[in-house]
Amino acid sequence: NAGVTQTPKFQVLKTGQSMTLQCAQDMNHEYMSWYRQDPGMGLRLIHYSVGAGITDQGEVPNGYNVSRSTTEDFPLRLLSAAPSQTSVYFCASSQDGNQPQHFGDGTRLSIL
Amino acid sequence: DQQVKQNSPSLSVQEGRISILNCDYTNSMFDYFLWYKKYPAEGPTFLISISSIKDKNEDGRFTVFLNKSAKHLSLHIVPSQPGDSAVYFCAALVEGGGNKLTFGTGTQLKVEL
Repeated sequence: NAGVTQTPKFQVLKTGQSMTLQCAQDMNHEYMSWYRQDPGMGLRLIHYSVGAGITDQGEVPNGYNVSRSTTEDFPLRLLSAAPSQTSVYFCASSQDGNQPQHFGDGTRLSIL
Repeated sequence: DQQVKQNSPSLSVQEGRISILNCDYTNSMFDYFLWYKKYPAEGPTFLISISSIKDKNEDGRFTVFLNKSAKHLSLHIVPSQPGDSAVYFCAALVEGGGNKLTFGTGTQLKVEL
């Protein structure tokens, strides 16, 4: 009963490096999302997907790419990391658009 | 432009008393509201929700009230327990809009013995 699994839990990058944050869910949920949490700002939506092969931008998409080739996985890619992307990243999933989202435990990312 | 606001960064209450957490929103398109609870080093967990067609929803010790005219909702926890100490996030969405949550900044609740 894993739910939403995010890897890695912690990561330190240098400016300009690329990286993929992994997210997998075993609940056969159609909807998946990525959020970032910064101090004093709550969680903000980066990208989301309503099903395999379908993705769309959220509130703060710049600097991030996503793809949804399977129902289970929704990776988030940082193409060229910047210090402003230092944050805690949360992945979430839900059965559909009317169900509450289940969150992973987050990836803490630091960009030096 | 913060569309969902939680103006109290922190709240401290005694065990057994009522905790009231408040949330205001500015976007009149929001029609579904949720409360999430978050412990350190964990992801948010869903607590309770309310649709805009209702003004109250209750689940055990947790009750959410919605005042649409004031664009205000509140979460009541009665009685408060030490295990309720956590950060509480208010979130809102437009139903049918892709389940895109807009979060408030959170309120740190501390329940003291």
